[in-house]
Amino acid sequence: EAQVTQNPRYLITVTGKKLTVTCSQNMNHEYMSWYRQDPGLGLRQIYYSMNVEVTDKGDVPEGYKVSRKEKRNFPLILESPSPNQTSLYFCASSRDSSGPQHFGDGTRLSIL
Amino acid sequence: DQQVKQNSPSLSVQEGRISILNCDYTNSMFDYFLWYKKYPAEGPTFLISISSIKDKNEDGRFTVFLNKSAKHLSLHIVPSQPGDSAVYFCAATLNPYNTDKLIFGTGTRLQVFP
Repeated sequence: EAQVTQNPRYLITVTGKKLTVTCSQNMNHEYMSWYRQDPGLGLRQIYYSMNVEVTDKGDVPEGYKVSRKEKRNFPLILESPSPNQTSLYFCASSRDSSGPQHFGDGTRLSIL
Repeated sequence: DQQVKQNSPSLSVQEGRISILNCDYTNSMFDYFLWYKKYPAEGPTFLISISSIKDKNEDGRFTVFLNKSAKHLSLHIVPSQPGDSAVYFCAATLNPYNTDKLIFGTGTRLQVFP
């Protein structure tokens, strides 16, 4: 089954404790992205990647890092999480630059 | 500054009637528009798209209309079904060949009641 898998689905942690949200897709997609969804703000892009070793900032990259060492994986790293990063996060992938994106089921992060 | 706006946070429609979800945008350079549907505890799923060279695109019960002069698009669902109850996001991009960078609206929650 074609899917985008995010882990964990839920996480409660404390300020400053580094965390990684993993994202993996099994569709051999070139493009992958991370979004956060906040009330009243919709989905905002954090980072995106056009291929292995190629990443670029989205609209709200501050406080986040990403890497794309393999085509299928695109982890989101919060080196020093803060409460304003409490949000619902989505990873997405698409076949190429013109294809619609396929989203994972989301990761709800709470930073205390 | 919100470049893509969905001014109605919620909409309630009776089953069998038409649902009309609206979206406005401010950037006249946007060239490609998409609608996504999102159920609770799931990620958004692609629904339908339209290029700026068209003013209408239809797929079954779903039709998207684009009015470039008004910078407005709308999604029509007819007839509406209870399974259509979800949050709908419109999204826009500057380049139809690069939909990796999308600007999303804030979403409209549609409830279809029997």
